[in-house]
Amino acid sequence: SQQGEEDPQALSIQEGENATMNCSYKTSINNLQWYRQNSGRGLVHLILIRSNEREKHSGRLRVTLDTSKKSSSLLITASRAADTASYFCATDPGNQFYFGTGTSLTVIP
Amino acid sequence: EAQVTQNPRYLITVTGKKLTVTCSQNMNHEYMSWYRQDPGLGLRQIYYSMNVEVTDKGDVPEGYKVSRKEKRNFPLILESPSPNQTSLYFCASARTGANEQFFGPGTRLTVL
Repeated sequence: SQQGEEDPQALSIQEGENATMNCSYKTSINNLQWYRQNSGRGLVHLILIRSNEREKHSGRLRVTLDTSKKSSSLLITASRAADTASYFCATDPGNQFYFGTGTSLTVIP
Repeated sequence: EAQVTQNPRYLITVTGKKLTVTCSQNMNHEYMSWYRQDPGLGLRQIYYSMNVEVTDKGDVPEGYKVSRKEKRNFPLILESPSPNQTSLYFCASARTGANEQFFGPGTRLTVL
């Protein structure tokens, strides 16, 4: 039973454009986190948003959380070729973590 | 350097031959976890540990065992590996279960 689902599955944009990816989940959560993974390597934490927060910023990243719709979005502004990676949302309804299948982002130089 | 280490990084084995993948963290984290990653399925949690001597099943625990005798180590044991356990495995740790996780580099396991 997968908790998070990212949308779209794949996204291709030009360098300098913004990239938006979405995450939907099924049950109440404590926190929602976004991670990045470069081709088969370990995941790197990007940002954590708590269930009582609606929006959070970190550098070029902006995350929103709508608990009524059970959804979150990750916006990467002014994308760079180095942002090419897979992005995953992770939710923790309890002590377990559920990851989605990810969005594969390609930024074309 | 704060890190999570896993060994081995690559392993090819045969069905039924017991193996252990080690995981160690040097950040004094309470929470540790194992995941497997398969194409099209994302990461799925196998087991997690809230602290020493406390372990719980994740989403896909069948065929795996873990132990948490020390805070820094969280080995994953496959008593009788089968081909459907061929996967990319990640260990992760966090200060607590409600914080960001730090991931190891991954162990690519092939069971023939």
